[in-house]
Amino acid sequence: QKEVEQNSGPLSVPEGAIASLNCTYSDRVSQSFFWYRQYSGKSPELIMSIYSNGDKEDGRFTAQLNKASQYVSLLIRDSQPSDSATYLCAVNMGGGGNKLTFGTGTQLKVEL
Amino acid sequence: GAGVSQSPRYKVAKRGQDVALRCDPISGHVSLFWYQQALGQGPEFLTYFQNEAQLDKSGLPSDRFFAERPEGSVSTLKIQRTQQEDSAVYLCASSLIASTDSYEQYFGPGTRLTVT
Repeated sequence: QKEVEQNSGPLSVPEGAIASLNCTYSDRVSQSFFWYRQYSGKSPELIMSIYSNGDKEDGRFTAQLNKASQYVSLLIRDSQPSDSATYLCAVNMGGGGNKLTFGTGTQLKVEL
Repeated sequence: GAGVSQSPRYKVAKRGQDVALRCDPISGHVSLFWYQQALGQGPEFLTYFQNEAQLDKSGLPSDRFFAERPEGSVSTLKIQRTQQEDSAVYLCASSLIASTDSYEQYFGPGTRLTVT
């Protein structure tokens, strides 16, 4: 079982809709959670970080964390074609190191 | 301000050649990380520096891989006797905070290595 799991997609949503991206992780002691956006041929770009249970909003993006369920999600409101990319969930699993463990990413397609 | 920079952006090596990949982190960032990303996969951790100290090299796939950060700023990832399975994008990331439960890592553009 992978330590960080995401549905690979593609997830297709119409322009203007809410896109919901999900991620589960295996290590209960994980403390820090991140969402990165990666366009084809480009490097990951940090879009959200979340450290405590609940919701965190930044513009059109909302990250949600539920440590009891070991679940983190990203909502994108008013989706735009420019949001079409692969979204990577990353987790700092603790254990004394600062490395990130990534999921394989979910491909999002926003259709006109 | 300037982000993380990496060079070269693209590298083609013949099998058996040695390569050196450079990373220049964001100014003042204490922590530096190297990741390897295969096509269609998320980045995989290779190694981590805090200033000049290499604190974790558990992700380096073999002893052909070596990384250094001698002055606590620029880092070099060296791969000796390259093999075809080394073909991937090598990503460098840096973060400001040295050790904490919360930090953010920022990635450079990556070096795409192709071994022929």
